Amino acid sequence: GENVEQHPSTLSVQEGDSAVIKCTYSDSASNYFPWYKQELGKRPQLIIDIRSNVGEKKDQRIAVTLNKTAKHFSLHITETQPEDSAVYFCAASNGNQFYFGTGTSLTVIP
Amino acid sequence: NAGVTQTPKFQVLKTGQSMTLQCAQDMNHEYMSWYRQDPGMGLRLIHYSVGAGITDQGEVPNGYNVSRSTTEDFPLRLLSAAPSQTSVYFCASSYMGIYEQYFGPGTRLTVT
Repeated sequence: GENVEQHPSTLSVQEGDSAVIKCTYSDSASNYFPWYKQELGKRPQLIIDIRSNVGEKKDQRIAVTLNKTAKHFSLHITETQPEDSAVYFCAASNGNQFYFGTGTSLTVIP
Repeated sequence: NAGVTQTPKFQVLKTGQSMTLQCAQDMNHEYMSWYRQDPGMGLRLIHYSVGAGITDQGEVPNGYNVSRSTTEDFPLRLLSAAPSQTSVYFCASSYMGIYEQYFGPGTRLTVT
């Protein structure tokens, strides 16, 4: 089955700096790669996603890049704000099953 | 729209008891799924369904059963609860398996 690895597990940045979280996957059949944000005690919520026919997608301060050849994708958050502090999960889907990374706890220091 | 709803929010079971976690969605989504979330483990897929009458196993299906008799409902049954099933359970739905998943609020289950 698919194996999704996510790094780093914790990340602290100063407010205004950028944050980068990286994920790798193993199954070349995976074709959909969402990123979720989960605040403490809350449900995961989608923040951005990318499909295998696209290399990069941007939504305001958030961007995701995908390298299908190397089987890795990354989340980039620019101009970080304290409200960006949360746990972020990457995932990979082959259309039937979603496989999640183990999460990155991001802390933005004011 | 209520989105995805789950009941109960909290549950304590004794080892060996059985129970059903309820999940419902009002978005007419074909794809529904159940995950468990444990510290440091991310979300792991238990079972999923691509439509009414169709279910399949995910990554960690042992000890759990599901059925999908309607588009709206996707209950998860614990057959004989074990302490290893102590976790937070999330139900999710999406249009298809390659589109945004909407998660329910979760059920925190403790098995003693």
